[in-house]
This record gives sequence, C-alpha cells and structure tokens, in this order.
Amino acid sequence: QVQVVQSGAEVKKPGSSVKVSCKASGDSFNNDAFSWVRQAPGQGLEWVGRVIPLFDTVDYAQRFRGRVTITADGSTSTTHMELSSLRSEDTAVYYCATEGGAGMRTHWFDSWGQGTLVTVSA
Amino acid sequence: SNVLTQPPSVSVAPGQTARITCGGNNIVFEGVHWYQQEPGQAPVLVVYDDSDRPSGIPERFSGSISGKTATLTISRVEAGDEADYYCQVWDFSSDRPVFGGGTKLTVL
Repeated sequence: QVQVVQSGAEVKKPGSSVKVSCKASGDSFNNDAFSWVRQAPGQGLEWVGRVIPLFDTVDYAQRFRGRVTITADGSTSTTHMELSSLRSEDTAVYYCATEGGAGMRTHWFDSWGQGTLVTVSA
Repeated sequence: SNVLTQPPSVSVAPGQTARITCGGNNIVFEGVHWYQQEPGQAPVLVVYDDSDRPSGIPERFSGSISGKTATLTISRVEAGDEADYYCQVWDFSSDRPVFGGGTKLTVL
C-alpha cells in the first residue's frame, strides 16, 4: 500500500498563497489517484480536489475553482496543492490521500498523509 | 446535490454494540465507505464498498446497507474506539466524493 508524507505546517497572511506537498512511497505513483481533503478546526471533512498522474487530469470542488491548483510530479512521486487568495476561513488541516477502487465506479481513500496545518492570520 | 446525513453523536457502554448510521437518497447505488478519526490524527479507512474491511481492521467493525441507510456497526466496543466516524460515497453524477457530517462516538 502506498504511504504518503506531507510537508510541514504553514502560517500565511490573508491574500497570500500556500503550497503543500505530498510525497508518495513505492513505485505506483503513476497508477494512483490523489485527492486533497481539508478539515477546518472542529469541523468535518471537505474534498478540495484530485489529480490522476497517469492521465494528467485534475478536478476541483466547485467552491475552490479559481483558487486551487493541484499538480503531480512523477519524477519525485510528489503531488502539490496550491491555494491562493487565502482568507481566515481557509485555516484548516489539509490532507493528501490515495484513492482505492481503481476501475470501479466508486472510490475511497485508503492511505492518508499525516496532515498539514495551514493557519491564515494577519 | 448528494447529501449524507449522520447523527452528531452516539454513546455506548464498553462491551456493547455501537451503530452509526448514514442516510442518503442514492446510497444503495454508490458504495459506502467509513473512516475513523481519533483526535489530532488523520482519518483511517475502516470499511469500504459497503461492507469490506481493509487488512488490519478488527472484525468488530462491520458495514451494512438497508434501503437509503448505511450502518457502521462496532461490536464489543472498547474505550479506544472513541473517535469521530465519517461516511463517504462517490457521487457518480459529479464523479466526486461526498462526506457525511461525522458522528462522535463516546464510550461511556
């Protein structure tokens, strides 16, 4: 099973951008799909978007479109999530997760990173 | 839009059985997955595709579907099972995941 390790905590000013990385172990990076999920303090899980390196495709949740960019670098087995125009409501733990259920209509998240706390504060 | 409804909290005594529900209109078609999240930790998959368990997850955790409701059942509850539990489906129409609001399981 693929393991993923994320970059460290970030503190950002409102209006700035943050880029969080997620490095996958093993040789299956190009066979996996990676999603980003965030969790605001005391709140539930919210999907941000995903990337499928094999097909070089990305998809974003409607509410983040225009502010989020997810990329994948096969040479380093790393996916990145960049969120711009940060506001205080973006303060959250951001998780990277691999998707299970390849070839099926349904997908789940079977391996999660440790999470990256992004704090947006003036 | 696809909405999954979970009770905010469930309480159970040690050794008893906990049942956490997840309601949704299309749930029977979509495959339901369950995650356990302990305080300060990342979520962990405990049931996928309605009723399958990943390796390493105890048999005490099981999933089922009936009509528009999925249920995560935890038998012989232990203090260590105290956590937040989330259900999730993959919405076919949008090709995106949807999470339930989460249920806090308290072991009395």
